[in-house]
Amino acid sequence: DAGVIQSPRHEVTEMGQEVTLRCKPISGHDYLFWYRQTMMRGLELLIYFNNNVPIDDSGMPEDRFSAKMPNASFSTLKIQPSEPRDSAVYFCASSFLAGGPNEQFFGPGTRLTVL
Amino acid sequence: LAKITQPISMDSYEGQEVNITCSHNNIATNDYITWYQQFPSQGPRFIIQGYKTKVTNEVASLFIPADRKSSTLSLPRVSLSDTAVYYCLVGGFGSSNTGKLIFGQGTTLQVKP
Repeated sequence: DAGVIQSPRHEVTEMGQEVTLRCKPISGHDYLFWYRQTMMRGLELLIYFNNNVPIDDSGMPEDRFSAKMPNASFSTLKIQPSEPRDSAVYFCASSFLAGGPNEQFFGPGTRLTVL
Repeated sequence: LAKITQPISMDSYEGQEVNITCSHNNIATNDYITWYQQFPSQGPRFIIQGYKTKVTNEVASLFIPADRKSSTLSLPRVSLSDTAVYYCLVGGFGSSNTGKLIFGQGTTLQVKP
């Protein structure tokens, strides 16, 4: 398996623009997570899905952020409008629970810079 | 929510055992303790997970006391390639868990020759 795939790997945009980050989880995994990593706040869970259904979005910072999972193999995290403070590395992770450890497999991340 | 505290940095030498302790005083009853390793420009990678007592796998051991308010990741005989940031994660996402996943701030381990 190729692992969790994220695109783009780098995104530079201007304040006010819409940004869409994409994630393809590992095939067969039923959990998908979106994280944000910054120097100041570390790794923060934004939202996670189970079987394509959002379970907990309490980490989404504000209404400018939205996430969808239209099917088991694709998810998006959208920021509209973007602001400079949204600059961070955004990670997607997936997991297959099934009685085993809560092990998450992380993608390589998308480095977002908002000017 | 659990407040997670771990040392900011640690230094070690090749061949030594390294122990990194994480404090999680408010851990919930069904929370797991999981450790991840992260190299620059990569996503975190799972190392080990436990609930109580001791867990060992091929790369590390995890010690959790009875009160579960702290945990210690033990890396035996580290090498230069173990230089990375190590994160303690408290929580769980199964149906019997809180659904909250809280990462510590990370411990930067520098292994010297």
